[in-house]
Parts: sequence; structure tokens; C-alpha cells
Amino acid sequence: SQKIEQNSEALNIQEGKTATLTCNYTNYSPAYLQWYRQDPGRGPVFLLLIRENEKEKRKERLKVTFDTTLKQSLFHITASQPADSATYLCALGSGYALNFGKGTSLLVTP
Amino acid sequence: DGGITQSPKYLFRKEGQNVTLSCEQNLNHDAMYWYRQDPGQGLRLIYYSQIVNDFQKGDIAEGYSVSREKKESFPLTVTSAQKNPTAFYLCASSIAGLANYNEQFFGPGTRLTVL
Repeated sequence: SQKIEQNSEALNIQEGKTATLTCNYTNYSPAYLQWYRQDPGRGPVFLLLIRENEKEKRKERLKVTFDTTLKQSLFHITASQPADSATYLCALGSGYALNFGKGTSLLVTP
Repeated sequence: DGGITQSPKYLFRKEGQNVTLSCEQNLNHDAMYWYRQDPGQGLRLIYYSQIVNDFQKGDIAEGYSVSREKKESFPLTVTSAQKNPTAFYLCASSIAGLANYNEQFFGPGTRLTVL
């Protein structure tokens, strides 16, 4: 069966460190992968998109990698700040639908 | 301001009643989507529409219905046939269908509780 797995346990890190979140998938062949941020009680907000033929994408303090052989994407936030605390969702795209993971909760402490 | 709005923010319903959730966008997007989110779960697609007067079922369409009579509006009706309707409902839109790799813009969500 198809699965998208993100760290189920919350990730706690200290301000200034790099946060690394993982998204693994099985039985998918996504054409692209997206990452979203979701704050409690609110809708997700788009962060980055990476296509299957791209290895890495950067945007300010954010970096995403996509390894279609390992079937894995890594999402990095460098120089993390307390304001980065949220749940981060990965979503695999193929055809007309996005398939979302359950998300990983990130807590950045001062 | 351009954006996507959902109303109401909180909705309470008695068992056996149908209820309609509103979703409006002024982004001039062709595609619109409805998702359901349960605690500790990922977003699950209920229905999507790539163009006016056309929509398709997602993974969990049973007990739900939609219409797309106008480009900016995509209301979702939760019917009494939906076995477990209590959830957080999210509406989203994108410039075109996702086959074009477009990001989705989400509304603030409606939290539906069945009493």
C-alpha cells in the first residue's frame, strides 16, 4: 500500500541550530514534492516545491532535498528561530492530487 | 486583498442534519479542493474541481457533495450519510490543476463538530 511517513514524534531543537525533517514514501512515483507549514488551527502555507529531476532546492533559510532512489525528502531549516515552531507537512504530487503526510511538529526553544 | 475564505470558522451540527461549508476565493484560480484533517492525521482529499461545472471525487467522497457553479466558489455539503463528520475541513485553490506543479493556497479552515 502507499505510505508517506514523517517523524511521528515532535522534534525539539535549540534556537540557532539546524532542524532536519524527514519524509519517506513507498509505492509512489511522485512527479514532485511540496513542503507546507501549518500552525495550530490554521490552514497550511506553501513553502517549497521540488521536482523529481531536482536534487536540491533552497529558499532563504530553507533547503529541501529529494532522493527518488531512497524515496526520501529532507527538509532543513538553518539558524532556526522560535517563530519556526509549527507542524511541517510533506505532500507528494502526481496527476491532479496531492497526497499529504501526517506532519512533523517542530519546537524551537530559545 | 486576494485570498481564500471559509465560513463559518466553527460549526456545530446535530446528528442527521446536512450542513454546507462555504469556500470562496478571489485569486482567479481554476482549481479548488476540499480536504479533511483529523487529529494526528494527514490531509485527506474529499473532492476537487479543475474547472467550473466539473468536479471529481477524492479519496473519501462518501457522505459529501459539492458544486462548482462559479469559478470563485466551491461549497461542500456534509450529509447525514457521513458516518464520522467531526473534523477540521480545509478548502484550497491553485492556479490550475496540480499536474502543472502549482502550489495550493489554503483557507483558514472550518471546524465541524457533530453533537
